Amino acid sequence: EADIYQTPRYLVIGTGKKITLECSQTMGHDKMYWYQQDPGMELHLIHYSYGVNSTEKGDLSSESTVSRIRTEHFPLTLESARPSHTSQYLCASRIAGVGETQYFGPGTRLLVL
Amino acid sequence: RKEVEQDPGPFNVPEGATVAFNCTYSNSASQSFFWYRQDCRKEPKLLMSVYSSGNEDGRFTAQLNRASQYISLLIRDSKLSDSATYLCVVRDTGNQFYFGTGTSLTVIP
Repeated sequence: EADIYQTPRYLVIGTGKKITLECSQTMGHDKMYWYQQDPGMELHLIHYSYGVNSTEKGDLSSESTVSRIRTEHFPLTLESARPSHTSQYLCASRIAGVGETQYFGPGTRLLVL
Repeated sequence: RKEVEQDPGPFNVPEGATVAFNCTYSNSASQSFFWYRQDCRKEPKLLMSVYSSGNEDGRFTAQLNRASQYISLLIRDSKLSDSATYLCVVRDTGNQFYFGTGTSLTVIP
């Protein structure tokens, strides 16, 4: 089992609230990722990080921010939640290397009312 | 055009059947290839990596055809526990992974 954790697992919140989704891994992985997945749809990359103090934007990054101050921690922040943000958010990490795969956390299910 | 395309199915097969899933990818420079399994409302989990020479893990066989940009997964002797969505995943030359929409499999008793 992968040692990657996400909190909260479920969140119901009102429109306009600021949200931070937490992701932590204890595997010492350099690379971390945030994805958004709607039911029956593919994963879409939101942000990723090569390592501490390194972050890059994915396809859906415009309404969120991330930080990578510590190797093990990669939080995602939505400054102002909207109903369109309702989705599942998956965090993943991997060690550097061509063939190295990603390990996923259990996900956060977000409902914005 | 999507980076990774899969037949979404659903595939409904009887126990013991052999089933094959296919996937195509658009970037010929892609470096790494994987099949993930995702159960309903759960996170994706690695099923197997896919190598150019083809590889097998028990009842599962994966093949890669770089010339055709095509990946396949064969499941033999299907079990009820194989019911899930199977995701084809491709990594580009950078650090980004691209996921297919997944192929849904239901194994019927």
